[in-house]
Amino acid sequence: DSGVTQTPKHLITATGQRVTLRCSPRSGDLSVYWYQQSLDQGLQFLIQYYNGEERAKGNILERFSAQQFPDLHSELNLSSLELGDSALYFCASSGAQGLHGYTFGSGTRLTVV
Amino acid sequence: TQLLEQSPQFLSIQEGENLTVYCNSSSVFSSLQWYRQEPGEGPVLLVTVVTGGEVKKLKRLTFQFGDARKDSSLHITAAQPGDTGLYLCAGFPMDSSYKLIFGSGTRLLVRP
Repeated sequence: DSGVTQTPKHLITATGQRVTLRCSPRSGDLSVYWYQQSLDQGLQFLIQYYNGEERAKGNILERFSAQQFPDLHSELNLSSLELGDSALYFCASSGAQGLHGYTFGSGTRLTVV
Repeated sequence: TQLLEQSPQFLSIQEGENLTVYCNSSSVFSSLQWYRQEPGEGPVLLVTVVTGGEVKKLKRLTFQFGDARKDSSLHITAAQPGDTGLYLCAGFPMDSSYKLIFGSGTRLLVRP
């Protein structure tokens, strides 16, 4: 157990739908990161939050949004889902900037049918 | 275009053999990290290298950060089946220290 908790572990939904992925960071970590992992593109950085504030943004689609709540848990919202959104979505956490490494959760496998 | 290129993409070797995985870029990184990922799990941090030319050893694994901080290598001595997994290098580009960028990964299979 890495200390980073992601739910749900698996999600199957139809095109056009909206889903919410949840992440609880490791105790004491203020930074939360979201990554998308697909077979052909590896791990792609989506977005980072630090203590409730958005700090960095990657190639996150406009259909996707995220937030970090006062208790530091984070949610990634994916809307108007397309078949190509099927992927593993990972949350990671770290202290401050994470220069010494991130702790990843086990991921949410999203399948859009 | 991948900022961090890893090679080889796939590696299948016999138990006991040595191997080296490379992570290269044309960009300079403030630090580089190596992770190992197993099926159904998230990446797990193995090591962070910060100083150009730095060498770190973790049991049978040796990590090196290039002098120019543009490349890194992972050498495994006497590989074991338990080393099987996806090895990922990741780094913070000097111009974007908040974004940890991952390489495409090297999938290693160690046959008993």
